[in-house]
Amino acid sequence: GDSVTQMEGPVTLSEEAFLTINCTYTATGYPSLFWYVQYPGEGLQLLLKATKADDKGSNKGFEATYRKETTSFHLEKGSVQVSDSAVYFCALINSGGSNYKLTFGKGTLLTVNP
Amino acid sequence: SQTIHQWPATLVQPVGSPLSLECTVEGTSNPNLYWYRQAAGRGLQLLFYSVGIGQISSEVPQNLSASRPQDRQFILSSKKLLLSDSGFYLCAWRAMGRVEDEQYFGPGTRLTVT
Repeated sequence: GDSVTQMEGPVTLSEEAFLTINCTYTATGYPSLFWYVQYPGEGLQLLLKATKADDKGSNKGFEATYRKETTSFHLEKGSVQVSDSAVYFCALINSGGSNYKLTFGKGTLLTVNP
Repeated sequence: SQTIHQWPATLVQPVGSPLSLECTVEGTSNPNLYWYRQAAGRGLQLLFYSVGIGQISSEVPQNLSASRPQDRQFILSSKKLLLSDSGFYLCAWRAMGRVEDEQYFGPGTRLTVT
């Protein structure tokens, strides 16, 4: 079945540091890939997505590129802020499923210190 | 625009008591609906999903049940709560459309079973 593997962290960075959160996936066919962010005590929000190979999703300074050859969708940000502290989830949807369920990674806790 | 509501926001219930959590979606028709549980503040577990009124699929056997009495209403229930039912419960919806369409999450319900 489909699966998503992401670095579990926790990741602790200083403000303005460079961020990478690794995500790799296993899926048949051509899944769509997503990054969600969950701020403390809240539900998940879509951060960015990519629907085909070599697509780059971007939002709020975050970027991720759909790499089919390495089955990866790593999240990057050049300069993190304290307000980026949250849990980040990598996820995929595979068109092979009849109900289009998302498959999530286990989440990566990011803490950014001033 | 579409919005998703969950209530209550927080709930403290004794072991053995019943449970009813409600989720409603506005601004869309015939959505896919999902219930997730998040324990230990991180990983997401899909509990139930529904592709239409009265159509419920269970992902994990447990003492919880779900119902969809109306197109945009999704209810999570239990007859007798266990300590292990404590967690953060998230409802989500997704349009019945393109495979690349994302899921949208509600604000969540924090359940503590004592």
